[in-house]
Order: sequence, then structure tokens, then C-alpha cells
Amino acid sequence: DVVMTQSPLSLPVTLGQPASISCRSSQSLVHSDGNTYLNWFQQRPGQSPRRLIYKVSNRDSGVPDRFSGSGSGTDFTLKISRVEAEDVGIYYCMQGTHWPWTFGQGTKVEIK
Amino acid sequence: QVQLVESGGGVVQPGGSLRLSCLVSGFTFSTDAMHWVRQAPGKGLEWLALMNYDGSDVQYVDSVKGRFTISRDNSKNTLYLQMNSLRPEDTGVYYCVKDAKGSLDYWGQGTLVTVSS
Repeated sequence: DVVMTQSPLSLPVTLGQPASISCRSSQSLVHSDGNTYLNWFQQRPGQSPRRLIYKVSNRDSGVPDRFSGSGSGTDFTLKISRVEAEDVGIYYCMQGTHWPWTFGQGTKVEIK
Repeated sequence: QVQLVESGGGVVQPGGSLRLSCLVSGFTFSTDAMHWVRQAPGKGLEWLALMNYDGSDVQYVDSVKGRFTISRDNSKNTLYLQMNSLRPEDTGVYYCVKDAKGSLDYWGQGTLVTVSS
């Protein structure tokens, strides 16, 4: 199975400051169709997960543009340009290229 | 709007069975693959199973293979997860999720399954 490794696992951030989460996969996430199925999800306290980013860098409708995704192959990053209070929660990367699909351990973002 | 509503969770003894249901609306269920994902208390997300639009293709994670069965009834807009031989480590919130080609775009609110004697 593809292992997804996130870092850091805990990320205290000052309001208005940037934040960055790394996600590394144990093998390339480039699918045979040429796409890279790397996704980012946000789970706010007490809520279901919500997709933020799909195929590495495509932001979902309604997701603020302070969220951005980048990367390729086995190395990916989620960036928040200026953290707001509503961004508190746990962020997961997930690969949808290889069966079984697998998630990272999650990164808890909190306000300092 | 897209809605996915899970039901069927509850408390069951180890070795017991439970069937979860997920009633969907707001999209054409019969043309979309569907997934189950779970989350143990205080833990991360674990993808469990996929069924394609017409039930001809399924995928499972090894930890549930042979014990859990995903199925669907397109005439009822409903996805199911039959869970047998339940273990304490199967305890968690089970989410029904819509497929989006290599991704998961819409999630239900989840249903809690507790396996305990």
C-alpha cells in the first residue's frame, strides 16, 4: 500500500501568518492516465471532512484562495497564505492513484 | 444540493453484524461510484471500500476484505455496507462519500458504530 507521510503533525500558527503542510508518498502518484490524484481535505472540529484541493492544485468551489496546493511525483504541499480563525482543524492528504486509497496521518492546525 | 445521509450505526458485540445505509440525493446516483471511509475515535481517516456505478467493480482495503461487503440499489438511491465479524477496532464513524475520479467530493455526516461487549 502507498504510505502517505505528513509533516508536521501539529502546526501552531499566528493569525495572519502563513502555514505550510508537507505530504510525501512512498511511490509516485502519477496515474497511468497522466493525472496525479493527490487531494487535500480539511476537517473542522465536530464536522465531516471537506475537500479543499484535488489533482494536486485544483481548488474546490467556495474554498478561499488563501489555500493552494503544489507538488509532483511523491512530494506535495498545502499552503495557507494567511491563517484565519476558521482554518483551525485537521488537514489530510489522500492519494487516489493506487488501490487501496490512503490518507496521511493528519496535521492539526491551531492558533497560537 | 447534494446530500448523503448515513444510518444504521449502533452498538454491537464483537463477532456481530451491522448493515449501514446511505441515502443520497441531489445528483444522479446511478452514474457515480461511491465509497465508505471510516474514522476511529480521535484518529485519522481510513478508506474502506469502493463500488462503481453499476456494481460491477468493487475494491476493499485489506483490513475489511472478507468481512465487509459494499453494495448499492440504484432504484433506491442507496449505498450499503454489510459488516460481519465485527471487532473492537472497527469502532468509529463511518462516512459515505461520493466518488470524483481519484477523489472524494461529497461526504455524509457519518454514522457511529461501536463494537463492544
